[in-house]
Amino acid sequence: GDSVTQTEGLVTLTEGLPVMLNCTYQTIYSNPFLFWYVQHLNESPRLLLKSFTDNKRTEHQGFHATLHKSSSSFHLQKSSAQLSDSALYYCALIRTQVVGQLTFGRGTRLQVYA
Amino acid sequence: GALVYQYPRRTICKSGTSMRMECQAVGFQATSVAWYRQSPQKTFELIALSTVNSAIKYEQNFTQEKFPISHPNLSFSSMTVLNAYLEDRGLYLCGARMGGQDTQYFGPGTRLLVL
Repeated sequence: GDSVTQTEGLVTLTEGLPVMLNCTYQTIYSNPFLFWYVQHLNESPRLLLKSFTDNKRTEHQGFHATLHKSSSSFHLQKSSAQLSDSALYYCALIRTQVVGQLTFGRGTRLQVYA
Repeated sequence: GALVYQYPRRTICKSGTSMRMECQAVGFQATSVAWYRQSPQKTFELIALSTVNSAIKYEQNFTQEKFPISHPNLSFSSMTVLNAYLEDRGLYLCGARMGGQDTQYFGPGTRLLVL
């Protein structure tokens, strides 16, 4: 079946430093959609980014990610971390537009300190 | 915009009893609804995917006998946790999606505590 791997369980940073959260995936389907969801404390996950196109950078709210099918990766980056970025970040995959369910990674907790 | 409501937001039930949770899509037609559970210290596990006019597909380790789901129209779905025990506690999320679209919109979740 499909799988999504987020290698870091916890990333701690000082405010102002760059952020990179890793995400790799496995699927037999050639055109998956990849997503990043962010979940703040006591809230439900909120869509942050999504991509379908190989090697195209997608950006939202200062975060960006590029889907690289050659390496099956969709890493999340931001040039300068803010305190408000502290949250759980989930990378997720959907096989095609037809299939309705997401496969989530285990999540990475980002903790930004002043 | 697309909104998804879930209720109750939080519920406590005694071990061995059952509870029903609901999911409502507003502003779009939810042709498919996926129910997930986020257990303490775990990621989101897919329980089942419900698509209008199709059979509900349950993931391994989850059954219709334990988590019966109803998806009677394009705006509403409900799921019941039957005979809830400690291992059933967690945050239950519904993710609703419009046919042909890739984005799944999540409700705020129903947090289940089992005593």
